[in-house]
Amino acid sequence: DQQVKQNSPSLSVQEGRISILNCDYTNSMFDYFLWYKKYPAEGPTFLISISSIKDKNEDGRFTVFLNKSAKHLSLHIVPSQPGDSAVYFCAATPTGNQFYFGTGTSLTVIP
Amino acid sequence: EAQVTQNPRYLITVTGKKLTVTCSQNMNHEYMSWYRQDPGLGLRQIYYSMNVEVTDKGDVPEGYKVSRKEKRNFPLILESPSPNQTSLYFCASRVSGRGTNEQFFGPGTRLTVL
Repeated sequence: DQQVKQNSPSLSVQEGRISILNCDYTNSMFDYFLWYKKYPAEGPTFLISISSIKDKNEDGRFTVFLNKSAKHLSLHIVPSQPGDSAVYFCAATPTGNQFYFGTGTSLTVIP
Repeated sequence: EAQVTQNPRYLITVTGKKLTVTCSQNMNHEYMSWYRQDPGLGLRQIYYSMNVEVTDKGDVPEGYKVSRKEKRNFPLILESPSPNQTSLYFCASRVSGRGTNEQFFGPGTRLTVL
């Protein structure tokens, strides 16, 4: 059973606007969460992460929000740029050794 | 350049013919891991290794073997491949320790088992 879920397979956003990608999880033992970005024919690359002791982490245009009570995290990209068009995976880990990934959301930023 | 390399990048084989996908990293990372990516299922962890001679099962280890005899290398072995192992495979590595969970991924190996 999928412990990390990304319910939106795709998302289209106008350049300059905000992109919000969502992720839900079921395992309350997860204590660290990450977002990866993947371009076609390449491996995923790390984007941003958050520990369960925080509810927000920011890095430039990227912000991750964590709502532990709802078991929900989201990635905000502001402003969105065409180069952000990629597949985004959220991931979670309870131990730092086992990692569980979502199914991915394909983001298209329209110029 | 810091990187994770995988070989081969593409492989077509037949059912039952043993194969090995190699993975190597030049960042002196203790931790390495293998994943497979399938449509609608995302990435699923196959095996991971916390250090030389220390390996453990991930979420989907059936049909796979690994070994970690050297720190830099972590090969994935399919002793008797089957069509349901047709997938895109990624190797990854990271520094050990709880403070850093970021993994560096290789470029992927697309495997087709006929």
